[in-house]
Amino acid sequence: GESVGLHLPTLSVQEGDNSIINCAYSNSASDYFIWYKQESGKGPQFIIDIRSNMDKRQGQRVTVLLNKTVKHLSLQIAATQPGDSAVYFCADLFSGGSNYKLTFGKGTLLTVNP
Amino acid sequence: DGGITQSPKYLFRKEGQNVTLSCEQNLNHDAMYWYRQDPGQGLRLIYYSQIVNDFQKGDIAEGYSVSREKKESFPLTVTSAQKNPTAFYLCASSIFGHTLNSPLHFGNGTRLTVT
Repeated sequence: GESVGLHLPTLSVQEGDNSIINCAYSNSASDYFIWYKQESGKGPQFIIDIRSNMDKRQGQRVTVLLNKTVKHLSLQIAATQPGDSAVYFCADLFSGGSNYKLTFGKGTLLTVNP
Repeated sequence: DGGITQSPKYLFRKEGQNVTLSCEQNLNHDAMYWYRQDPGQGLRLIYYSQIVNDFQKGDIAEGYSVSREKKESFPLTVTSAQKNPTAFYLCASSIFGHTLNSPLHFGNGTRLTVT
């Protein structure tokens, strides 16, 4: 079946740097995308979402970029802080008629070095 | 505070025993979900419910059962028929099911270990 994947399983950055986490999805018909943050021993926490009719959306210190041409999604975190250390994963939703499929990626571990 | 409560956080069972994981939400969300998380894999959907007294199988429903008698509760039973039950189980809810702009909100999970 189709799946959402990540280019890098781990990412290490210095505190204060910007982080970019990438995600490739395979279903060109997916129309909604979500980024989650998961800290150790906890459930995933919603960060930001974007619909397929947009190519950029900004939140507080985070920006999601969507490139539908190459089926690529990225999460940019500005001025990364130690508290940003976690696993980040994306999800894409295909919803068409009675069909519905939400697919999660495996995750990227972000480590922020002080 | 509104949220999703999963209990217990850790659960240990002997092989061959059924076990029920609790999930309660006070967000007034219509839809609830159960996912399983294993190392190196994305979340996999076990069951979901879009409305009270209705639920649907997900991708890996075999060996699991659910009920949705109340809007705020969606317990998951891991039966002895589940071949590999040891995992981290996540419950989630969303305002509506299967619609745009309705992200899933997750509980903090139950780690089940079966020996």
